[in-house]
Amino acid sequence: ETGVTQSPTHLIKTRGQQVTLRCSSQSGHNTVSWYQQALGQGPQFIFQYYREEENGRGNFPPRFSGLQFPNYSSELNVNALELDDSALYLCASSLSHVQREAFFGQGTRLTVV
Amino acid sequence: DQQVKQNSPSLSVQEGRISILNCDYTNSMFDYFLWYKKYPAEGPTFLISISSIKDKNEDGRFTVFLNKSAKHLSLHIVPSQPGDSAVYFCAASATSGTYKYIFGTGTRLKVLA
Repeated sequence: ETGVTQSPTHLIKTRGQQVTLRCSSQSGHNTVSWYQQALGQGPQFIFQYYREEENGRGNFPPRFSGLQFPNYSSELNVNALELDDSALYLCASSLSHVQREAFFGQGTRLTVV
Repeated sequence: DQQVKQNSPSLSVQEGRISILNCDYTNSMFDYFLWYKKYPAEGPTFLISISSIKDKNEDGRFTVFLNKSAKHLSLHIVPSQPGDSAVYFCAASATSGTYKYIFGTGTRLKVLA
């Protein structure tokens, strides 16, 4: 059984560009959540996907969007990158949207210059 | 508005002694609490959780205590080991359509050999 994997592990982008981050959920998990962790802060909830539908969203602008695929893997897309988007982006998967424990990937470190 | 607070940014403990990490919350709707441990360059690892219907949950060296009236929880690690040195995040969630986590800012634990 594989855990949650994210790609890439590190990424450098220029302000104004677009980025796509990817996440493969743990085997058997149909729910994926994305979090942003800025330096010195705790992770902040971006949104959750359950069976390919968005199932809740945090306080992030619409330029943060996502997708979940039939195999339950997921993408996080960020348009018009800003310097403040520099952060660690974490993906977490859970067995279902009512499962209280989620398991995190290692994260993607995004740097916007 | 920080709904989950970890007021101690860091803690140093001697190997073999007890480590106590604290967390306060403000939202009375929170009914499930989790502790995650995070090493550098890795994603958060689930450690232990507690439902609001309990006041204590134990798993090996780790025990979480919940005081609902004080809106306070704590994680006890006994005995502390050098491998426990990491950043510990407290997280809370409320029963809703989206079981998102609200995280504290973390406490860096250093266990001295």
